[in-house]
Amino acid sequence: SQQGEEDPQALSIQEGENATMNCSYKTSINNLQWYRQNSGRGLVHLILIRSNEREKHSGRLRVTLDTSKKSSSLLITASRAADTASYFCATDSFFFGNEKLTFGTGTRLTIIP
Amino acid sequence: GAGVSQSPSNKVTEKGKDVELRCDPISGHTALYWYRQSLGQGLEFLIYFQGNSAPDKSGLPSDRFSAERTGGSVSTLTIQRTQQEDSAVYLCASPIRQGEGYTFGSGTRLTVV
Repeated sequence: SQQGEEDPQALSIQEGENATMNCSYKTSINNLQWYRQNSGRGLVHLILIRSNEREKHSGRLRVTLDTSKKSSSLLITASRAADTASYFCATDSFFFGNEKLTFGTGTRLTIIP
Repeated sequence: GAGVSQSPSNKVTEKGKDVELRCDPISGHTALYWYRQSLGQGLEFLIYFQGNSAPDKSGLPSDRFSAERTGGSVSTLTIQRTQQEDSAVYLCASPIRQGEGYTFGSGTRLTVV
């Protein structure tokens, strides 16, 4: 079953605008990660935020985490055509001593030139 | 190697045949995950290997699916008596560093006809 649910499922914006995607999850986590996927193949790790962090930046990416609401958001500023991709959140949890990475359903982002 | 390699890149097989998918993870990394992604969907966890511990097989959808990891490195995912619903992209992942996110292979696109 999917732990995370991304919102919206699809998003289209003009190049240069900011894009915001949200992720909600259900269980306690060690960290939450965001990945990008182009053309339905391999995923690329973008950024990781730990459960004791509230905000993190990496280049044009800004991630927030609210553990009380079990939610996270990914902001891409000054979007570019190359940002067109699917974005997934993934939660990293420990179950019975095993680390488990569980993915959401993804947001399809389209940047219009 | 420096990254995660998967083979074959694409596989077309007839319904009822067995297939083997291979993952060559990051050298020296003890953890390895297999995921499945159906068209337009999120990632579905299949199995997780961690060192010499018993693998977490909780995500395998049926007893037609099995996986092994020989010598703590290369892993093979075997699907017996393939069905059309097995058609998907099968992705393998290895941790970048403990608690620092994961590197994914480019996947094997399996099509059962």
